[in-house]
Amino acid sequence: DVKVTQSSRYPVKRTGEKVFLECVQDMDHENMFWYRQDPGLGLRLIYFSYDVKMKEKGDIPEGYSVSREKKERFSLILESASTNQTSMYLCASSPPAGRRSNQPQHFGDGTRLSIL
Amino acid sequence: AQSVTQLDSQVPVFEEAPVELRCNYSSSVSVYLFWYVQYPNQGLQLLLKYLSGSTLVESINGFEAEFNKSQTSFHLRKPSVHISDTAEYFCAVSLLSGGYNKLIFGAGTRLAVHP
Repeated sequence: DVKVTQSSRYPVKRTGEKVFLECVQDMDHENMFWYRQDPGLGLRLIYFSYDVKMKEKGDIPEGYSVSREKKERFSLILESASTNQTSMYLCASSPPAGRRSNQPQHFGDGTRLSIL
Repeated sequence: AQSVTQLDSQVPVFEEAPVELRCNYSSSVSVYLFWYVQYPNQGLQLLLKYLSGSTLVESINGFEAEFNKSQTSFHLRKPSVHISDTAEYFCAVSLLSGGYNKLIFGAGTRLAVHP
């Protein structure tokens, strides 16, 4: 079965810290995504990656960076955490587009990050 | 730019009553449409999808959605809801950009089913 794992579920960090959120998928998917979910705003795309070592900015990349050293792992990095980055973060993966462009994204259970 | 509008932020309903969650999208090109469901403290799960063909799509748990191209809508319906359907529901449009599918999400509709 499809599996996207976000190992850290409810981390609490301090302002100014460098924070790493990890995501691992076991489906051999090329595409991986990081979203931020806030009440009334739905999901907003932060960054995505369509291949190892490749990354593209999404709609709200400011204050974030990403790393994809291996196909199965996609890390979100908060360079210097701030209180306005307190949120739910969701990771997703999918096969590439083209002939299989109808493939939906598969989501992890989310990481609810608190910045104090 | 593509956008997705979910017209109701919250929908309260009694158990066994019918429900409709509304979704409209704006797009000048062909789209793929999805409904995702999020139960408390979980990620999003695919509920159903419209890719092509029949405009009425169904899920395994009794939900259905109808693609209406002229009204650019993809409303979600269920004829009789259960307490276990209490969750947040997200409508999404898939935009093909380069070699990947980018999802544009609505703001979500929180369905609360009461006994």
